[in-house]
Amino acid sequence: AQSVTQLGSHVSVSEGALVLLRCNYSSSVPPYLFWYVQYPNQGLQLLLKYTTGATLVKGINGFEAEFKKSETSFHLTKPSAHMSDAAEYFCAVSDSRGSGNTGKLIFGQGTTLQVKP
Amino acid sequence: DAGVTQSPTHLIKTRGQHVTLRCSPISGHKSVSWYQQVLGQGPQFIFQYYEKEERGRGNFPDRFSARQFPNYSSELNVNALLLGDSALYLCASTLGGLASAYGYTFGSGTRLTVV
Repeated sequence: AQSVTQLGSHVSVSEGALVLLRCNYSSSVPPYLFWYVQYPNQGLQLLLKYTTGATLVKGINGFEAEFKKSETSFHLTKPSAHMSDAAEYFCAVSDSRGSGNTGKLIFGQGTTLQVKP
Repeated sequence: DAGVTQSPTHLIKTRGQHVTLRCSPISGHKSVSWYQQVLGQGPQFIFQYYEKEERGRGNFPDRFSARQFPNYSSELNVNALLLGDSALYLCASTLGGLASAYGYTFGSGTRLTVV
């Protein structure tokens, strides 16, 4: 069965500092991996995704993530945090390959990013 | 282009009642999925529909049901509401089929409160 673990339910950084949100996954087949952001009282917005090809994926708002198969990780980074980055971030894996799959997303528990001025 | 639209945005129901939530996917998207997000947790998969057929069901009781219409919009129905059904219900649509590499576009959700 697939699963996602996000290390750290809360991360606090200063404005302008590096953002690093950690995500490890478990999958028996090559996964599709996603990062979503959720602002208060809103739905989920796709930041970036990994399907195949280049393992370093660039997304919106200056975020990027690197797929490391050997470490089963897909950590999200941003070089310089902005106040507007404060939100809930979710890593997700899709069981998109293999027979009988549904393509459903399996989410981690989320990481709340706080940005201090 | 309109995104994924969900209605209503908020509603309050009493235990034991029934509720219907609605979702309109992005134009051209044929796959719709439903997720339940309890406060402080990640979304949990409830259903996926593709081309009007159920293609996946999560670990939810039979009180939860859904359907997809010919125009690809979808309804999620929950019977005999329990306090624990209080959550944000998210609808997502995708351009591709089951194994979608396109990613899923989510609506803003319906906040259901059961009292």
